[in-house]
Amino acid sequence: AQSVTQPDIHITVSEGASLELRCNYSYGATPYLFWYVQSPGQGLQLLLKYFSGDTLVQGIKGFEAEFKRSQSSFNLRKPSVHWSDAAEYFCAFKAAGNKLTFGGGTRVLVKP
Amino acid sequence: EAGVTQFPSHSVIEKGQTVTLRCDPISGHDNLYWYRRVMGKEIKFLLHFVKESKQDESGMPNNRFLAERTGGTYSTLKVQPAELEDSGVYFCASSLSDSGLYGYTFGSGTRLTVV
Repeated sequence: AQSVTQPDIHITVSEGASLELRCNYSYGATPYLFWYVQSPGQGLQLLLKYFSGDTLVQGIKGFEAEFKRSQSSFNLRKPSVHWSDAAEYFCAFKAAGNKLTFGGGTRVLVKP
Repeated sequence: EAGVTQFPSHSVIEKGQTVTLRCDPISGHDNLYWYRRVMGKEIKFLLHFVKESKQDESGMPNNRFLAERTGGTYSTLKVQPAELEDSGVYFCASSLSDSGLYGYTFGSGTRLTVV
């Protein structure tokens, strides 16, 4: 079955520390992969996407993600977290068809 | 450019009542999607319009949900009659291409509470 797993429901990180959010997918081929962020009171904002080519993808707000085919993973990273990065992050993929399949989300709390 | 607009942002209704959610996509985006997140669960696909036609409605939970997109512009999602399990956040998204190549732009969502 096609699915996306975000193993961490909550992550707490200190401001200025690095952040890595995990995402694993289950699909027979390489899907289109996305990371979205939802800040409090806001909609889902696209951080970055991967379709093909360079497996290290740069996104907005200083985020990057690395596609690893061998591990079926697409982890999101940020070298230095800001208080404004406190939000919920969603990994998603688009396989055949036009719909996105989302992971359960990871809520990030930033300590001062 | 204006983003995807959804309203109302919040709605509280009693079980058995009817609620209509509206989504205005980005101008020129033929593809419009509805998703839903119920409490503690993943965001789930409901349906996809291409212009005014339903391309995929495989995610619609039951016949109490009716989505329309007359004229291929804005869309409405009606829940009639609403049940407690319909509570959640309903997201709308639009895209220029159905391939996902340009990404999908989401609205802020409508939080529906059925009491």
